[in-house]
Amino acid sequence: EVQLVESGGGLVQPGGSLRLSCAASGFIFTSFAMTWVRQAPGKGLEWVSSISGTGASTYYADSVKGRFTISRDNSRDTLYLQMNSLRAEDTAVYFCAKALVVVVSATDYWGQGTQVTVSS
Amino acid sequence: EIVLTQSPGTLSLSPGERATLSCRASQSISSTYLAWYQQKPGRAPRLLIYGASNRATGIPDRFSGSGSGTDFTLSISRLDPEDFAVYYCQQYADSPRAFGQGTRLEIK
Repeated sequence: EVQLVESGGGLVQPGGSLRLSCAASGFIFTSFAMTWVRQAPGKGLEWVSSISGTGASTYYADSVKGRFTISRDNSRDTLYLQMNSLRAEDTAVYFCAKALVVVVSATDYWGQGTQVTVSS
Repeated sequence: EIVLTQSPGTLSLSPGERATLSCRASQSISSTYLAWYQQKPGRAPRLLIYGASNRATGIPDRFSGSGSGTDFTLSISRLDPEDFAVYYCQQYADSPRAFGQGTRLEIK
């Protein structure tokens, strides 16, 4: 059974940093691209970042480029999102999601999400 | 940057009726790179359709996707009470892999 479990969310002050993790199980992690998607309170889905199965290719939304870094440790079956210079508008539930294939594509399994709140 | 516009914003229908949801892209995209998701309150999204017309694993055949170029459609042939939710389209042809703003399907 595919499982994705996010952790690392919480309350942080503007300008602060957080690192989100997504522990994967039930599939061959290195064979699939992974994606982070966020959802602000009462709003729609916003694609944040994606990474290929090998980790060689990464992609970012303009809203987070230069502040967030996506990475993966294929030996630990874990996806990360390092978030720096956080702003109030980064407040959202962050979901990790597994792609259908090794390159970035539609996502067929999602975690339950982790809440990130940026506030003083 | 490809922008996706979904319509209508809200669709009010009764169980048993047919639903038709639209997703229009600001520029032509290959149908290979268009997906539809369903999201219920407090839940993660669920993949319904990928490649514009391919149902994901376990998705009932009352859900179907079609379209090409800039115009894509999600159809639900006979609405079940569990189908009332928010639906999003997403393109993954190019970065940013943006979502549409969503269509809320509500019970009339």
